[in-house]
Amino acid sequence: QVQLVQSGAEVKNPGASVKVSCKASGFTFSNYHIHWVRQAPGQGLEWMGFINPSSGGTSYAQNFQGRVTMTRDTSTNTVYMDLSSLRSEETAIFYCAREPSGRCHFDFWGQGTVVTVSS
Amino acid sequence: HSALTQPASVSGSPGQSITISCTGTSSDVGGDNFVSWYQQHPGKAPKLMIYDVTNRPSGVSNRFSGSKSGNTASLTISGLQAEDESDYYCNSRTTSGTYVFGTGTKVTVL
Repeated sequence: QVQLVQSGAEVKNPGASVKVSCKASGFTFSNYHIHWVRQAPGQGLEWMGFINPSSGGTSYAQNFQGRVTMTRDTSTNTVYMDLSSLRSEETAIFYCAREPSGRCHFDFWGQGTVVTVSS
Repeated sequence: HSALTQPASVSGSPGQSITISCTGTSSDVGGDNFVSWYQQHPGKAPKLMIYDVTNRPSGVSNRFSGSKSGNTASLTISGLQAEDESDYYCNSRTTSGTYVFGTGTKVTVL
């Protein structure tokens, strides 16, 4: 069955970086783009960017340009999202979601990873 | 791109129909037909309900339907049921190839 399994919760100090993983199974990894979405507590969804696992090509939201890096490991069907220079107000849940390549919607989501930024 | 504009809340009685609007610009909602809608229950990941403005994924009730006129997309829930009480978000691809979500709407079943 289709699965996107994300790494566990993290606690980071302000100014630190966090790297969240998203391991795919049950589908052909190369046929999908993987997107990342952030949700602060009690707030809405915010699109961060996506990676094409086949080519490694990425596209990032302007709000995160220069701070976010998305990479993939095709040997393990895993995508990573690295966000640097964390601020205390950036405590959030981070979701990965798959997009059938070129179809422009997110048909399956990971369970979410809570990242707490606190000193 | 700024977030797409949705009403903060919409409510209805069981059996009624409600409509949630999603207003953007000609650079996103009005730019093409890549508008999708997601349902999110508290503490859960979002679930795709509508894609390409009007299409329902397999397994989604036909009580959910989507439409678009100009820069505004809409999600209609017919025959409202208690299980429909949730948060709903629209999303659109932009003409620059990025994506933007709506501000979100809390649906309450009275």
